[in-house]
Amino acid sequence: SQTIHQWPATLVQPVGSPLSLECTVEGTSNPNLYWYRQAAGRGLQLLFYSVGIGQISSEVPQNLSASRPQDRQFILSSKKLLLSDSGFYLCAWSVRAGSQYFGPGTRLLVL
Amino acid sequence: AQSVTQLDSHVSVSEGTPVLLRCNYSSSYSPSLFWYVQHPNKGLQLLLKYTSAATLVKGINGFEAEFKKSETSFHLTKPSAHMSDAAEYFCVVSSLTSGSARQLTFGSGTQLTVLP
Repeated sequence: SQTIHQWPATLVQPVGSPLSLECTVEGTSNPNLYWYRQAAGRGLQLLFYSVGIGQISSEVPQNLSASRPQDRQFILSSKKLLLSDSGFYLCAWSVRAGSQYFGPGTRLLVL
Repeated sequence: AQSVTQLDSHVSVSEGTPVLLRCNYSSSYSPSLFWYVQHPNKGLQLLLKYTSAATLVKGINGFEAEFKKSETSFHLTKPSAHMSDAAEYFCVVSSLTSGSARQLTFGSGTQLTVLP
């Protein structure tokens, strides 16, 4: 069966510091991968998606970036965090345009 | 363009009574619709999905939803609430991107409280 992992589970970072969140999927090949952010009391916002290695589509312009160095690995990064980057970050995978399945999430607090 | 509106930000029911979580959508195309549930500090779990087959969709944990095109609605129901149903529920509409991925648009969520 397929599983999706995210780490770290929780992260507290100072403003201006870099960020790297990792997402990996097991049990499937060539998945579509997605990064979402959930701000407090709000729904999810799609940040990036990827349909293959090295292929990244950005939905929202901001100081975040994403990379897909391997088939089942998706990384969310920032060079300098802002206070507004705080939130709950969720990674998801799907088989092509099928249903999306979410990871456990990373809670980021920028101070 | 697509959007989804969850009509209630909070719903409270007593254990054993029916649950109704309302959702209206807007989509330029024949939509795919989903309901996800999120328990505190957890990721999202897919409850059910509608993808142009039967209009009454059955999901996990006794939930079901009915797609009504004339009303542009996709309300989530359950005949009898259980304490473990307390969570936040998201209605989602989706469309295909040019890259063969599915872009999900989430509603703002409905917090369900189940009273003993």
